[in-house]
Amino acid sequence: EPEVTQTPSHQVTQMGQEVILRCVPISNHLYFYWYRQILGQKVEFLVSFYNNEISEKSEIFDDQFSVERPDGSNFTLKIRSTKLEDSAMYFCASSALDRNYEQYFGPGTRLTVT
Amino acid sequence: ELKVEQNPLFLSMQEGKNYTIYCNYSTTSDRLYWYRQDPGKSLESLFVLLSNGAVKQEGRLMASLDTKARLSTLHITAAVHDLSATYFCAVDKDSNYQLIWGAGTKLIIKP
Repeated sequence: EPEVTQTPSHQVTQMGQEVILRCVPISNHLYFYWYRQILGQKVEFLVSFYNNEISEKSEIFDDQFSVERPDGSNFTLKIRSTKLEDSAMYFCASSALDRNYEQYFGPGTRLTVT
Repeated sequence: ELKVEQNPLFLSMQEGKNYTIYCNYSTTSDRLYWYRQDPGKSLESLFVLLSNGAVKQEGRLMASLDTKARLSTLHITAAVHDLSATYFCAVDKDSNYQLIWGAGTKLIIKP
């Protein structure tokens, strides 16, 4: 069964460093998303992406965040200058262009900023 | 601002019992989702509810949607230990595929 994959599974970085989180969505899906979940808390929407551009973004998704689909398969989230409060689990999701728009989630990348 | 509230936030129950998790949301929405999350794991889609009165069942779980009351329920029948997890509901904000999530209900089922 097709699934969303994410790399790395765990990233440790120092405050102020740039990180790139990578995702490979399900191949026939057209919508892509990033969410984050701070440990023990609710899931928060960051951004959605369709047709090679951002469709929606939340207040969390400020200028230090960016997304890109550099080729036909990868979808990346870049954090330019990480802060301690960026430590969280980051989930990528994708959905197809059908009535359900059911979002399928990857296994997540745990980002630890020290 | 769309708000999604779940209750209870924590539920400990014995195997074999029935219980219901509630999900209230503050504005109209076309789609409501239920997800399951095991500790340290990703989010597994359980149900997608698309219309008023929708009811879906999978095994011991049944989800329903009342769009007029802005309420969805997740009912657990004859709970088993394997259903222990955190259950989230999420609502599609303005039908733009931006999911707004409840805080989650941590369900512990004791053998």
